[in-house]
Amino acid sequence: ELKVEQNPLFLSMQEGKNYTIYCNYSTTSDRLYWYRQDPGKSLESLFVLLSNGAVKQEGRLMASLDTKARLSTLHITAAVHDLSATYFCAVLSNSGYALNFGKGTSLLVTP
Amino acid sequence: DAGVTQSPTHLIKTRGQQVTLRCSPKSGHDTVSWYQQALGQGPQFIFQYYEEEERQRGNFPDRFSGHQFPNYSSELNVNALLLGDSALYLCASSLRSPTGELFFGEGSRLTVL
Repeated sequence: ELKVEQNPLFLSMQEGKNYTIYCNYSTTSDRLYWYRQDPGKSLESLFVLLSNGAVKQEGRLMASLDTKARLSTLHITAAVHDLSATYFCAVLSNSGYALNFGKGTSLLVTP
Repeated sequence: DAGVTQSPTHLIKTRGQQVTLRCSPKSGHDTVSWYQQALGQGPQFIFQYYEEEERQRGNFPDRFSGHQFPNYSSELNVNALLLGDSALYLCASSLRSPTGELFFGEGSRLTVL
């Protein structure tokens, strides 16, 4: 069974600081997704990472994938309050049909 | 272009009742997946439908069933509701899954009393 672990699960950081969220998964997979979820809302797609060494950046967020280490990171640069949300990584199962999600990282950016 | 739409947005049921949730995929998408998200947890895969057939099922009991219609819309049915079925139910659509990116609807929040 494919397991996805995120850490930390809770993160409180000051505006302007940098931090990284880690996502480890237990078996090989062809793709990894990062999603953002605001309270009471649905999932917003942030990044889709398809290959080893893939790096994608959007604004203050940058995601990378190391398939050999089965590790993805979501790096936050100079955090701002608007980034406060829960961030999920999800890994495509070997069947290619199901996404296996981590438990999420609840991020709070404070002044 | 309408995205993934789900109905109802909120509903309250009592234990033992049955519920039907509905999903219309993003225009042009042919594959629908359903996920259950309990409070404070990540979404869990229930099943996926393609060409009106259940293509894969997650670790959910037979009380959870679904259907996909010729217009690609889908329903999720849950029978004999339990308190533990209280959750946000998310529908996601994609094109030519598994290569297509998933787009999620706003979800249906089910409360079982």
